[in-house]
This record gives sequence, structure tokens and C-alpha cells, in this order.
Amino acid sequence: DSGVTQTPKHLITATGQRVTLRCSPRSGDLSVYWYQQSLDQGLQFLIQYYNGEERAKGNILERFSAQQFPDLHSELNLSSLELGDSALYFCASSVGTSGGVSTDTQYFGPGTRLTVL
Amino acid sequence: AQSVTQPDIHITVSEGASLELRCNYSYGATPYLFWYVQSPGQGLQLLLKYFSGDTLVQGIKGFEAEFKRSQSSFNLRKPSVHWSDAAEYFCAVGAYNFNKFYFGSGTKLNVKP
Repeated sequence: DSGVTQTPKHLITATGQRVTLRCSPRSGDLSVYWYQQSLDQGLQFLIQYYNGEERAKGNILERFSAQQFPDLHSELNLSSLELGDSALYFCASSVGTSGGVSTDTQYFGPGTRLTVL
Repeated sequence: AQSVTQPDIHITVSEGASLELRCNYSYGATPYLFWYVQSPGQGLQLLLKYFSGDTLVQGIKGFEAEFKRSQSSFNLRKPSVHWSDAAEYFCAVGAYNFNKFYFGSGTKLNVKP
């Protein structure tokens, strides 16, 4: 158990809908990262937040957005969902005191499996 | 462009045999290198990482990896594989002051009894 929690575990929705994925980092970690894992794209870094502020951006679509709240939990919002958004979405956290997404040791949650029908 | 290549999609080894999973990276600056393992239905767990110093890195579960700058490689090894090592293994690369992080496509390891 990494100490990172994600809810829900599974989510099934329809095209065009909007969903919110939630992540609680390990106690003491200030950075939260979001990743998408799909069969065709593999593991892709989406975005990083550090202590409430966006720090790094990867291959995140404009239909997707994230935020980190004062209690350090984070939410990933996915809107206007398409079939191709079906994937496993991981959250990771790190202490966040060194080089950011490129160098911090990240601890991954179990993921949320999103299915878009 | 930065990239990580894991040339082997699937590998099957017998229990007790040695294992080497290959990882090659393409990066202009000094890389920070990681190996993660993902068991079915689970998140990723860090096995080991290399930032600097000794090029042979020891990790958890008896794994080690060697950084070879001349070959742009960071191969993962284990002298004797256990059935519980069956999983998917990901190599990843980043760099200081470079706000990107790349994973390889993964290598699925099957372990024969």
C-alpha cells in the first residue's frame, strides 16, 4: 500500500459526459501527479500540482483539468468524454522538494478505471 | 527528442532463472532513471532509481540496475526470478529542471514454474 488513495475505483459513463476523479496524497506529500494509462498510448504524464499550484504540464487535453485543494487532495475533471478517454487514470504523490516531476520519487495510487460507452 | 525504449514487449523466464530487462533512453542531459513494477490491477511501485554516483543501483525485491552512459542504457536485473515477479515493468526517465517525465512502453514478464 503506497498511502495514495484514489476514488472511485471504477467509473462507467457515456460519451459527452463529465466526471471527476479524486486523489488523496500520502501524508506529508505536497506534490500530486496525474497519469493516463491506455493500451494505445501507454503511460502518459498529464499534469503536476505542488502545494496547490500547477507546476508541470504534460499531454493533458483541453477537455481535462485538475486542481489541488488546500488540504492537498486533488481532483481531475474530464469533460465532453469520448470513447478514446477510456483508460486507467493514476494519481501519484511525492514530497515535492527536489526537481519536480522529473526527479522526485513518486508513489502511485491504485488507479481509477474509466470506461466511456 | 527525449524517449525511453523498452525493446522487449514480453519476456518469459523459468522460475529460478536470471532476468535482464532492457531499457534505452535518449536524452541530452544527465538523466534521472527509474524502474517501476505494475502487478495486474495494481498501481506502480518503485523498484529503484538512479540519480548519480555508483552506476550499479540496488532496489527492492532483489532487483538491481546498471546505468551505462556509453550505451544509454539502464537495464534491470535479478539473479533468480520468483513466480511473484510476474508483472509489467516500466522504465522511466526525467532530468533536473526539466518538467517532463517519460515512461517506456513496458515489458510484461511471465514466469514459468
